[in-house]
Amino acid sequence: DTGVSQDPRHKITKRGQNVTFRCDPISEHNRLYWYRQTLGQGPEFLTYFQNEAQLEKSRLLSDRFSAERPKGSFSTLEIQRTEQGDSAMYLCASSPSRAKGEQYFGPGTRLTVT
Amino acid sequence: AQTVTQSQPEMSVQEAETVTLSCTYDTSENNYYLFWYKQPPSRQMILVIRQEAYKQQNATENRFSVNFQKAAKSFSLKISDSQLGDTAMYFCAFMKHVANQFYFGTGTSLTVIP
Repeated sequence: DTGVSQDPRHKITKRGQNVTFRCDPISEHNRLYWYRQTLGQGPEFLTYFQNEAQLEKSRLLSDRFSAERPKGSFSTLEIQRTEQGDSAMYLCASSPSRAKGEQYFGPGTRLTVT
Repeated sequence: AQTVTQSQPEMSVQEAETVTLSCTYDTSENNYYLFWYKQPPSRQMILVIRQEAYKQQNATENRFSVNFQKAAKSFSLKISDSQLGDTAMYFCAFMKHVANQFYFGTGTSLTVIP
């Protein structure tokens, strides 16, 4: 399978714990995006990488959130000191540099904070 | 700020019939992209169709077509010959021409009835 992959698919954690999610984009896609989707809502943009550079960050990305893409390939999204409000689906997407807007999404990581 | 509105939370259609999903958006931009994404129960978002705002011709992809009314800021999706596999959540999305983040609507849950 050559699509966008995300790991884990599901994560249950207790409030206050740290969690880290991984995204592997489609090979040779230099653009990578993270979104958050809560129940009944469309995805909301969190952050964007071009290669290893994080070029855009949403105001939704509080200080407890950090994302990296160290070698311009896979990316990680870490949430520190999780809160119940962090419970959501976290989606990763990638696109090639010449894409006319379209992005290719992964299956998401569902986070439940208890 | 850009906003996308989908006023139909749920819709249903008989198999083989035609259904139209509505989407309106608000922007001061003149050059942008509009998209319809499908999110089946497995949760992986799939691009259905894309429209570039500077193109007057409505985009079509097999059974899927759009009615793009730029002045009215309307972007509806028509699904012809509905199939059971079309059952999914459908999201309308907006992206500025030189930008990297989507603005999604809240989605329309479509059920195709056999």
